[in-house]
Amino acid sequence: AQKITQTQPGMFVQEKEAVTLDCTYDTSDPSYGLFWYKQPSSGEMIFLIYQGSYDQQNATEGRYSLNFQKARKSANLVISASQLGDSAMYFCAMREGSNYKLTFGKGTLLTVNP
Amino acid sequence: NAGVTQTPKFQVLKTGQSMTLQCAQDMNHEYMSWYRQDPGMGLRLIHYSVGAGITDQGEVPNGYNVSRSTTEDFPLRLLSAAPSQTSVYFCASSYGRGEQFFGPGTRLTVL
Repeated sequence: AQKITQTQPGMFVQEKEAVTLDCTYDTSDPSYGLFWYKQPSSGEMIFLIYQGSYDQQNATEGRYSLNFQKARKSANLVISASQLGDSAMYFCAMREGSNYKLTFGKGTLLTVNP
Repeated sequence: NAGVTQTPKFQVLKTGQSMTLQCAQDMNHEYMSWYRQDPGMGLRLIHYSVGAGITDQGEVPNGYNVSRSTTEDFPLRLLSAAPSQTSVYFCASSYGRGEQFFGPGTRLTVL
C-alpha cells in the first residue's frame, strides 16, 4: 500500500480564491511528521509547512495551512488567496518514527488562472 | 551559506559509462540523502546517510553507490549507466528529523 496518496493529479483555481490539495497517509507509528513541498517549473524543491503527529494545532505559515485530521489520516494543504506564482507541483511527504527518511506522494499540479 | 549545492546541473552519458554526481552542504547537517524524480512518480529515495561513515539504502538503490567521508559531502556514483537511470537527481540535507533542504537538482540523460 502506498504510504502517501495524493489523489488529484491536477487542480485548477482562480486567482484570489482558496484551494485545498489532498494528502492521505498510511502509518502504524504513533510518531510521524508530515511535510508539504512546492516545485515550480524551474525545478527547485521549496519547503512550505510541517505538521507533527503530536501537534495539537494545525500548522500555518502565511497563506499556507495544513488541515490535519489524524483519525482520517489526512493532511490537506490549504492555500488561501491564490496567486499566479502558486502555479506549481505540490508534494506531500511523511517521516515515520525515529527515521530521517521522507516518503513522497506523486504530487498535484496546481494551475492558478487569472 | 550556499546551502546544498549539486554538480553538474546537466549531464549526458552513454550506456555503460560511469560518473559521480556531487553534493555538498555547508550547514553542518547530519542527514543527507539522494532522490530521483521521474514523471508521475514523485521523489524516490536512493541512498541516505545519518552521518560521516554511515550510509544505507533507500527505496531504489540498485545501480548506485554512495559514501560519506565528511559531514559536508555525499557523492552519488553511477557504476554503469543505463537508460533507466535517466532522471532528475536531487540531494537533500537536514539537521535532525525536520525540514529537508534540497539542492537544485541534476538532470541526467543516458543514451
